[in-house]
Amino acid sequence: GESVGLHLPTLSVQEGDNSIINCAYSNSASDYFIWYKQESGKGPQFIIDIRSNMDKRQGQRVTVLLNKTVKHLSLQIAATQPGDSAVYFCAENYPGNQFYFGTGTSLTVIP
Amino acid sequence: DAGVTQSPTHLIKTRGQQVTLRCSPKSGHDTVSWYQQALGQGPQFIFQYYEEEERQRGNFPDRFSGHQFPNYSSELNVNALLLGDSALYLCASSWGTGGGEKLFFGSGTQLSVL
Repeated sequence: GESVGLHLPTLSVQEGDNSIINCAYSNSASDYFIWYKQESGKGPQFIIDIRSNMDKRQGQRVTVLLNKTVKHLSLQIAATQPGDSAVYFCAENYPGNQFYFGTGTSLTVIP
Repeated sequence: DAGVTQSPTHLIKTRGQQVTLRCSPKSGHDTVSWYQQALGQGPQFIFQYYEEEERQRGNFPDRFSGHQFPNYSSELNVNALLLGDSALYLCASSWGTGGGEKLFFGSGTQLSVL
């Protein structure tokens, strides 16, 4: 899973399977989180967000789970498609401060 | 509804030169943040502008400076360029500065320092 570090974690999944991307965040005071998708040569694209008063939030084909006890986020992508291939980042935000990003996870979808 | 726009998309400079990057925020947003993204890394916060003032700053030297205009657009200036300044520079916009607002990014400016 994703964490602050020097190596970019990678995940390969078969087209049509579900993907789970993990993220460990650093600050227990963080109360807002965003998942971003970044394709090569582009800026990060907003996927889904969640606030700390929630454990789960669903979007179109994506679900974010938040476990505040262990400071862990996950992004689930249902029926993964080739267009989902990208680097995924989680970003944490604590009150009055900027967003902190992890290293990212590279997702490759195998047709 | 235009998203965050940045210019130029690519830039090549030599060491010691100065560079200015530009950003227009998403419609309805009044806060602009700048990030530096090195290859294979996540974006690193440089600074944030709101009401034409720098409100927060990350761990970047004074060579990095910025400006916000009355129409909320912003510029990032980097003086005395170093090879290590080569990166993708991302502008992001949001509404307000209290935290907990959605942050939307532009496509970035790829800066190469030779």
